[in-house]
Amino acid sequence: NAGVTQTPKFQVLKTGQSMTLQCAQDMNHEYMSWYRQDPGMGLRLIHYSVGAGITDQGEVPNGYNVSRSTTEDFPLRLLSAAPSQTSVYFCASSRSGEAFFGQGTRLTVV
Amino acid sequence: GENVEQHPSTLSVQEGDSAVIKCTYSDSASNYFPWYKQELGKRPQLIIDIRSNVGEKKDQRIAVTLNKTAKHFSLHITETQPEDSAVYFCATTSGTYKYIFGTGTRLKVLA
Repeated sequence: NAGVTQTPKFQVLKTGQSMTLQCAQDMNHEYMSWYRQDPGMGLRLIHYSVGAGITDQGEVPNGYNVSRSTTEDFPLRLLSAAPSQTSVYFCASSRSGEAFFGQGTRLTVV
Repeated sequence: GENVEQHPSTLSVQEGDSAVIKCTYSDSASNYFPWYKQELGKRPQLIIDIRSNVGEKKDQRIAVTLNKTAKHFSLHITETQPEDSAVYFCATTSGTYKYIFGTGTRLKVLA
């Protein structure tokens, strides 16, 4: 029972590079979301999805894109990485109630 | 927009004492109130939750209380132990997908 799987666990990017953070869940959850975690700022919602083909913006969407082509997968794309995007990123999924988190991706943009 | 305020940001208690963390929310439609514990370098994990039709819930040393009129809810940990040291987050949601998190409380239990 894998739950929510995120890859990679660590990543270093140069300013201007693009990359995709992967997130997959095997619990058949309808709802998936991406958060970034910065010191003293808690978990801030970037984008979320209520089902395949449906996505919406959260609190801090600028610089990020998402898509949801299947129930299982919800990748997060950084279009042109900036140092301000240095953070820990968490993917989460839920059906009703508890949100299950992936292991996190520590991203550093230099 | 929706907002959740969490206090205190840091809390130090002696082992065996109680710890209380409080959250205030703004969205009247909020109906689910979970608390997450995050150990250093790990993912957040649910420790207790409460729904809007309940005023209090207990699970061993952990309890959560909810006051919908005042729009605040609290986490109570009794008989604290060193392994309770972690960052605790409150959250609210009015559905099942758009969680709004508090900014976290770093709890230190001193042996």
